[in-house]
Amino acid sequence: ETVLTQSPGVLSLSPGERATLSCRASQSVRSNYVAWYQHKPGQAPRLLIYAASSRATGVPGRFSGSGSGTDFTLVISSLEPEDFAVYYCQQYVTSPITFGGGTKVEIK
Amino acid sequence: QVQLVQSGTEVQKPGASVKLSCKASGYTLSSYALHWVRQAPGQGLEWMGWINAGDGHTKYSQNFQGRVTITRDTSANTAYMDLTSLRSEDTAVYYCARDVGAAAFDIWGQGTVVTVSS
Repeated sequence: ETVLTQSPGVLSLSPGERATLSCRASQSVRSNYVAWYQHKPGQAPRLLIYAASSRATGVPGRFSGSGSGTDFTLVISSLEPEDFAVYYCQQYVTSPITFGGGTKVEIK
Repeated sequence: QVQLVQSGTEVQKPGASVKLSCKASGYTLSSYALHWVRQAPGQGLEWMGWINAGDGHTKYSQNFQGRVTITRDTSANTAYMDLTSLRSEDTAVYYCARDVGAAAFDIWGQGTVVTVSS
């Protein structure tokens, strides 16, 4: 099983600041099939990034993903009020599909 | 509009079973794989299993082996997830999600709350 470790667990930032979220895999993720989801209470998860760096349809340009192998990063260049949420990384190439434990981005 | 619409809230007793539905709208269910993911209170996302909605092939997380069954009815454009021998730890929000291959899980259902309590 590919274990995904996200850090930090909580990120306290102000609107307008830059957020950098990390996701480390216990083994190399083939084809860099890592996705990032945004999850708000009472809502379904929303796909932001797939294949490590491709933005999903309708996702604002302030969200960007990078990385390869075992280390992946999600950057929100300038936080908007609606960006405060929990973010999960996921590897979807190897069974079982696994998610990281999440990073909560909260308002400082 | 492409969406997945899930069935409503369930309250079940320990030891019972629950069958949740996930109806595809705006696309043909059999064209894509479909997964079930759950989130227990205060916890992260946990993958349960998936079905190739075209041929019905399934694969399940070992964490649920023997307790979960995913099926689909192509005529109803609907997938189902059956979970048996419920225990309090199965209290969670259950989501279905469409798998578009390289582009990950692009559409999610609104979630179904399942509460297991005596």
